[in-house]
Amino acid sequence: ETGVTQSPTHLIKTRGQQVTLRCSSQSGHNTVSWYQQALGQGPQFIFQYYREEENGRGNFPPRFSGLQFPNYSSELNVNALELDDSALYLCASSVHPTGGGRETQYFGPGTRLLVL
Amino acid sequence: GENVEQHPSTLSVQEGDSAVIKCTYSDSASNYFPWYKQELGKRPQLIIDIRSNVGEKKDQRIAVTLNKTAKHFSLHITETQPEDSAVYFCAALSGGGSYIPTFGRGTSLIVHP
Repeated sequence: ETGVTQSPTHLIKTRGQQVTLRCSSQSGHNTVSWYQQALGQGPQFIFQYYREEENGRGNFPPRFSGLQFPNYSSELNVNALELDDSALYLCASSVHPTGGGRETQYFGPGTRLLVL
Repeated sequence: GENVEQHPSTLSVQEGDSAVIKCTYSDSASNYFPWYKQELGKRPQLIIDIRSNVGEKKDQRIAVTLNKTAKHFSLHITETQPEDSAVYFCAALSGGGSYIPTFGRGTSLIVHP
């Protein structure tokens, strides 16, 4: 198992609510990426954080936002939840490529979000 | 942006047979290709990866091949075992600083005892 942890493991929300998901990166990793994985699909990239700044973003609306803290942990915030936001949310930590090409990402266990 | 196609979506084999999963990518600048295994209800786990300066890499029963000219790469599993049953995802990473992977849609591998 990787050293990446996520909380909570499961969450149920209603449409229109807001949610915050948390991720602690593996020791020595300075980059965190967030993914949305719908049932039966591959992970879809949401955004990546490096040095507390967004370092790339996928095709997700602005109501998906994030933070990275000085200890490299990260949060994913989703506002105005929609039914289609129901999915497994994965974070993955890695070392920024300037660290010698070690860009391999290691995933956390995920947070399963259900929007009713 | 990068586009990754993965085939087949489902693969059923008998224990001991070989399994091959193929992926194609669109961005010729992509230079890193990891493969992940995801068991039901668990996180994706890296099983093998290959960089664009290498044509083939092996790790026990698992191998990956890369054809940069044709922009496709494949995962080969030999002597399959029931515990190999899982969903396998390929991914391609473009350079440019962000190193953001684009994933395929996954292949559900079923190994029958």
